Amino acid sequence: EDKVVQSPLSLVVHEGDTVTLNCSYEVTNFRSLLWYKQEKKAPTFLFMLTSSGIEKKSGRLSSILDKKELFSILNITATQTGDSAVYLCAVYNNNDMRFGAGTRLTVKP
Amino acid sequence: NAGVTQTPKFRILKIGQSMTLQCAQDMNHNYMYWYRQDPGMGLKLIYYSVGAGITDKGEVPNGYNVSRSTTEDFPLRLELAAPSQTSVYFCASSYQLRYEQYFGPGTRLTVT
Repeated sequence: EDKVVQSPLSLVVHEGDTVTLNCSYEVTNFRSLLWYKQEKKAPTFLFMLTSSGIEKKSGRLSSILDKKELFSILNITATQTGDSAVYLCAVYNNNDMRFGAGTRLTVKP
Repeated sequence: NAGVTQTPKFRILKIGQSMTLQCAQDMNHNYMYWYRQDPGMGLKLIYYSVGAGITDKGEVPNGYNVSRSTTEDFPLRLELAAPSQTSVYFCASSYQLRYEQYFGPGTRLTVT
């Protein structure tokens, strides 16, 4: 059965720290992996990754995909309290999509 | 653009009642989705649609029905509500399948 596992489930850091969130997957016919940020309401899109080894970057956030080892990481540098959220990973194949349970990040001042 | 809108924001149902969750988008997206999110969990796909008149089941379709008569609207119908359907429901749309999805604000449903 296809599955997406995110780790850690929760993380507490202080402002200025750097964090790495992990997403590993087992799906057939992989097509793409997406990262979303979910604050109190709806998820908002961060990155879409389809090719191994190509880093996507947006400000202090970056992400990379390893299709051989079947995982992706999301890095956040110089964290701020506004980064506090649940970060969701979603993996798409030909017919279906699966979300991980998410990593809850709390950034303390 | 309003993006993706959902109504109602909150609803309490009694066991056995039925209701329709409304979803509309004004981005002319062909693809639309319904998810549920239980506390501390990721999103699970209930149904999706690749265009008007075409719908398909996702991971957890039991107890739900959908229709897609127009590009803009994708209502989700709950028949005979059960406590297991207590959840937050998100509607989403995308320009292409498996690409970036835009989410509505969600409907928090409680079945007691």
